[in-house]
Amino acid sequence: GQNIDQPTEMTATEGAIVQINCTYQTSGFNGLFWYQQHAGEAPTFLSYNVLDGLEEKGRFSSFLSRSKGYSYLLLKELQMKDSASYLCAVSPLPPFGGYQKVTFGTGTKLQVIP
Amino acid sequence: DSGVTQTPKHLITATGQRVTLRCSPRSGDLSVYWYQQSLDQGLQFLIQYYNGEERAKGNILERFSAQQFPDLHSELNLSSLELGDSALYFCASSQGQGAYEQYFGPGTRLTVT
Repeated sequence: GQNIDQPTEMTATEGAIVQINCTYQTSGFNGLFWYQQHAGEAPTFLSYNVLDGLEEKGRFSSFLSRSKGYSYLLLKELQMKDSASYLCAVSPLPPFGGYQKVTFGTGTKLQVIP
Repeated sequence: DSGVTQTPKHLITATGQRVTLRCSPRSGDLSVYWYQQSLDQGLQFLIQYYNGEERAKGNILERFSAQQFPDLHSELNLSSLELGDSALYFCASSQGQGAYEQYFGPGTRLTVT
């Protein structure tokens, strides 16, 4: 099975940088997703990492270390609208038959303060 | 707008009742996923369909069932409803069966009284 761990809550200041960590344990691993979810709204895709290293996409970057079972999401130049939950999700290796079940962590609630 | 539609947006019903939630995936997507999200809880995966066939099952209660129709829309049936079933139910779709970005619908907020 999969076990995913993220901090429950974080607070950061507008204009600053924040790093949201995610650790996972899984019997097989293919890749890791990050989603953003504003309160009461649907999650929206941010990134998908398969290979080790940092992938940058505007103000958001995502890092993966497969050997350590570790990922982080880095948000730069924080804006008030970045206040949301950030969900880490792992995609395991497929079993015979070719399908994969993506498992979501419980999410990190980020509050951006002025 | 993700392109995934869900109806109804809100549903209020009594304990013991049965409801059906409907989802239409994005054009071209073959996979449909159902998730439950209770207040302050993470997304709990319920079930996945790919091109009409059940592909993966999460912690879905026996009182819940789902299907995906030939036109790829999906329905989630919840029966013998309990107060604890009150939650946001999300449908998501993706091109393939797993390691693909999932596009989420706006959700159906179910309140059981």
